Amino acid sequence: EAGVAQSPRYKIIEKRQSVAFWCNPISGHATLYWYQQILGQGPKLLIQFQNNGVVDDSQLPKDRFSAERLKGVDSTLKIQPAKLEDSAVYLCASSLSQRGGRRETQYFGPGTRLLVL
Amino acid sequence: AQTVTQSQPEMSVQEAETVTLSCTYDTSESDYYLFWYKQPPSRQMILVIRQEAYKQQNATENRFSVNFQKAAKSFSLKISDSQLGDAAMYFCAYRGSNYKLTFGKGTLLTVNP
Repeated sequence: EAGVAQSPRYKIIEKRQSVAFWCNPISGHATLYWYQQILGQGPKLLIQFQNNGVVDDSQLPKDRFSAERLKGVDSTLKIQPAKLEDSAVYLCASSLSQRGGRRETQYFGPGTRLLVL
Repeated sequence: AQTVTQSQPEMSVQEAETVTLSCTYDTSESDYYLFWYKQPPSRQMILVIRQEAYKQQNATENRFSVNFQKAAKSFSLKISDSQLGDAAMYFCAYRGSNYKLTFGKGTLLTVNP
């Protein structure tokens, strides 16, 4: 089966510009996650969707970050305006169940590497 | 809040040898899951192995096994017969009652031929 797809793979922008990332989860997966992975650290959850509803966005900097999952399939993550500290890899992941159970495997995409100059 | 600590930023192993990666975590919960994820240079993270806290038996997946010490809050990963393809960043992760995955900072494993 096809894995989690993300685009673009790389993006370089200047601070104060805006940027958007796209994610297509594995077909049939109800739960979708966006993570931020800063160099030298583990991924940090930004937002979790269950179908097209937000389950957890407690660590999303809402003054500059936004995300949506229209029709419960694809998702976009936007940063506006970007800051230097937003330079990171943005990972998208998906899992099968409606509840995103604790035992479940999360399947990760290849990530989008963002550099803010 | 739960925390996950990986005290070894880097490890190396000779091909065909065995290596153990360490992980400790802090939690007040009794029911949770622990995971080891592998992230090769291509950046696609994949699940290596998982352990349920209520199971006393240590999980194994082919050459990968864990040593789960619940009282000590320790969850180490042992890779036997290391192969060149095992070279990657390895992340330990915790998932408890809030269903959120909390990752450690990772251990970079190098496999020497």
